[in-house]
Amino acid sequence: DQQVKQNSPSLSVQEGRISILNCDYTNSMFDYFLWYKKYPAEGPTFLISISSIKDKNEDGRFTVFLNKSAKHLSLHIVPSQPGDSAVYFCAARMSGNQFYFGTGTSLTVIP
Amino acid sequence: DAGVIQSPRHEVTEMGQEVTLRCKPISGHNSLFWYRQTMMRGLELLIYFNNNVPIDDSGMPEDRFSAKMPNASFSTLKIQPSEPRDSAVYFCASSLGLATNEKLFFGSGTQLSVL
Repeated sequence: DQQVKQNSPSLSVQEGRISILNCDYTNSMFDYFLWYKKYPAEGPTFLISISSIKDKNEDGRFTVFLNKSAKHLSLHIVPSQPGDSAVYFCAARMSGNQFYFGTGTSLTVIP
Repeated sequence: DAGVIQSPRHEVTEMGQEVTLRCKPISGHNSLFWYRQTMMRGLELLIYFNNNVPIDDSGMPEDRFSAKMPNASFSTLKIQPSEPRDSAVYFCASSLGLATNEKLFFGSGTQLSVL
């Protein structure tokens, strides 16, 4: 049973435009959310996170939004660059517990 | 720091053979996780340890899978006997601990192919 869902397996965006990746979760006990980026033949690397006490966290071109009532978070990348082409995983956890990951969204940024 | 180190990077074996995947976590990290990546389930947690003690192994598919962490700097994931459906990328990850805001650091993974 997937507690974290990424319903879009892939996304294509023109360079310079905004990329929006979405993630839904089912467990209201999750209190920390993360996004990971994965290039082929490499392990996932941490990108950005947000605590459940916040609704937005920004780091350069990357912003994560959290809507607790909808159990939904999104990652915005502005402007998108070709180097952003990768698979993005959404993850969630409760303190003292495991990390639950989604199935990933493959982002392609077209030059 | 060298990061999480996994070996081998690639493993090709025949059905029925024993496979052992190895992981060295980041020094000072107290929690270690084994994940399997598949198209259908994404990153699926198999087992995780805290202070070398298994905390949750409910993700281990079946008795053919076993994991150990004999000390703070080494863990193994063993599949015996291996089957073609075990073919996947296996990731090891570590974190400082299990506090809410801890982040996972992943190794480069082991690409396992069972023929």
